[in-house]
Amino acid sequence: EAGVAQSPRYKIIEKRQSVAFWCNPISGHATLYWYQQILGQGPKLLIQFQNNGVVDDSQLPKDRFSAERLKGVDSTLKIQPAKLEDSAVYLCASSGTRGEAMAQYFGPGTRLLVL
Amino acid sequence: GQSLEQPSEVTAVEGAIVQINCTYQTSGFYGLSWYQQHDGGAPTFLSYNALDGLEETGRFSSFLSRSDSYGYLLLQELQMKDSASYFCAVDRGSTLGRLYFGRGTQLTVWP
Repeated sequence: EAGVAQSPRYKIIEKRQSVAFWCNPISGHATLYWYQQILGQGPKLLIQFQNNGVVDDSQLPKDRFSAERLKGVDSTLKIQPAKLEDSAVYLCASSGTRGEAMAQYFGPGTRLLVL
Repeated sequence: GQSLEQPSEVTAVEGAIVQINCTYQTSGFYGLSWYQQHDGGAPTFLSYNALDGLEETGRFSSFLSRSDSYGYLLLQELQMKDSASYFCAVDRGSTLGRLYFGRGTQLTVWP
């Protein structure tokens, strides 16, 4: 079974530029999550999708971050404009049906450096 | 608000047993998860406790006491490959899978 795929793996941009990350979850997983992990901290949930609907985006900085999940499969997370404090690893995760939803499966992440 | 407390670092030798504690204070609680993350890697699911008691999976066990807002991860027969960060995460319920992660415990296993 293929895991969660993310691209790009690394990205370096200057502040005020925009950037987009892509995620392809495990086939059949209805729930998709985007996390931000700053060095030395645990992952912080940014947004959670159930199929293609948003169920929690309370910690997403909506003035600069946006995310979508078209057709309930792939998802993109965008930052526009980026700030220095956005430097972090952006992790995508997915989980299955209710009984299996306890386990979230993470992708390798995108390491973002904002200069 | 919510808070999760776990030790920042733990060290042990190969073959030993280590317990990583986690205390939590959250506005909603559905269960407690544990994840392992090696340097530069992605978090990997280890366990989930929704009910009080001990869950055992091979060398790893996880415990939960809802009344004490406390849990722990027990790692037995430590191996060098167990050197990693371990995160406890509270499932805040209402929306399944809404995890709030602690800052992690860096475990170093010495030969």
